[in-house]
Amino acid sequence: QSVLTQPPSASGTPGQRVTISCSGSSSNIGSNTVHWYQQLPGTAPKLLIYNSNQRPSGVPDRFSGSKSGTSASLAINGLQSEDEADYYCAAWDDSLNGQVFGGGAKLTVL
Amino acid sequence: QVQLQESGPGLVKPSETLSLTCTVSGGSISSYYWSWIRQPPGKGLEWIGTIYYSGSTNYNPSLKSRVTISVDTSKNQFSLKLSSLTAADTAVYYCARGKTYCPFWGQGTLVTVSS
Repeated sequence: QSVLTQPPSASGTPGQRVTISCSGSSSNIGSNTVHWYQQLPGTAPKLLIYNSNQRPSGVPDRFSGSKSGTSASLAINGLQSEDEADYYCAAWDDSLNGQVFGGGAKLTVL
Repeated sequence: QVQLQESGPGLVKPSETLSLTCTVSGGSISSYYWSWIRQPPGKGLEWIGTIYYSGSTNYNPSLKSRVTISVDTSKNQFSLKLSSLTAADTAVYYCARGKTYCPFWGQGTLVTVSS
């Protein structure tokens, strides 16, 4: 059972906008920033969004993040076939004094 | 560009201790936090623990009694030891740079616990 809650799956057609939610609590998302990782099959996770809404260099601006209260969302605009991957949210947890992750959402591009 | 590479045995027996090393290249291990994260086959990510280059650590409470993370700045490496292994510890083990988030990851190494 993951500390952060994500839907197990999401889907969309090419060009569409898709959002993936992430729900936590006051000890993690409620008091710290949220980060998102993209994991392509058989590869290590790649940092996609950090500090809730910042994109590392090289990440397309199709990807954006937001946070409100104890929840966060990842939005992907102009969905492309290469976006098909697992997406994980993460945050620092003040009670655990460590990183916590969501269970991951598998994005399928139809 | 910082690169990380995990090394260690791919097969370990139940009740034994797993030892993995992460070698950092393309940058110094100093002035950063370094983490170990694992992923059981077909499942999500689990944070194991984090070490600062100075040696201070914090561990996942669920693993704390079995985990030791250490750093060797002279070799630009940090290491993970996980004791009293069971089949539930079978996972891909990743080393990564960072504490609250990790912009750099190793490719991961699959560790299977089996007799």
